[in-house]
Amino acid sequence: AQTVTQSQPEMSVQEAETVTLSCTYDTSESDYYLFWYKQPPSRQMILVIRQEAYKQQNATENRFSVNFQKAAKSFSLKISDSQLGDAAMYFCAYSTLLQGGSEKLVFGKGTKLTVNP
Amino acid sequence: ETGVTQTPRHLVMGMTNKKSLKCEQHLGHNAMYWYKQSAKKPLELMFVYNFKEQTENNSVPSRFSPECPNSSHLFLHLHTLQPEDSALYLCASSQEEGGSSIQPQHFGDGTRLSIL
Repeated sequence: AQTVTQSQPEMSVQEAETVTLSCTYDTSESDYYLFWYKQPPSRQMILVIRQEAYKQQNATENRFSVNFQKAAKSFSLKISDSQLGDAAMYFCAYSTLLQGGSEKLVFGKGTKLTVNP
Repeated sequence: ETGVTQTPRHLVMGMTNKKSLKCEQHLGHNAMYWYKQSAKKPLELMFVYNFKEQTENNSVPSRFSPECPNSSHLFLHLHTLQPEDSALYLCASSQEEGGSSIQPQHFGDGTRLSIL
């Protein structure tokens, strides 16, 4: 079974600084997707960035980028120029296809990010 | 503004009550999901519906009963729940395109359920 591990329950960063959130996963599959989701106090789970395992190039979305190390099964999220609105729970997730064709997301426990002014 | 709407936002019920959670997606997606989010635990997938057919039941107790009347609506019927069922219940939807392509799931704001 696939598992996702986020080793940092909490992190903090100064506004405008850079922070990196760690994520490792375990799988025997070769083709899969990885996601980072953000959950602010409003509770809605918001997609931050996605990475397809067959792509070697690291995904980037504005201030958010990932460091995807497939051999090491590592998928860290870097947030540059941190803003107060980035404060939230961040969840790393692994995605695979079920037999019926639907998608199954496996989540880590999350990292609570605090941004200090 | 979310494309996935969940009601009610909060629900408090006794163990003998029967209630239902509702989810509606306005994104034209063909797959819908129920997740349970408990404190200090990862999100747990409960049920998956693809084209209105249930394709996954992740060993969920029978006191939770899902219903998907069409591809836009998903319900979770609750009956005789236990205190450990108190959690945030999240609904999500996605567009399943077949093959090996995976599209990201879009989530609602969740229903905070408290069992007395």
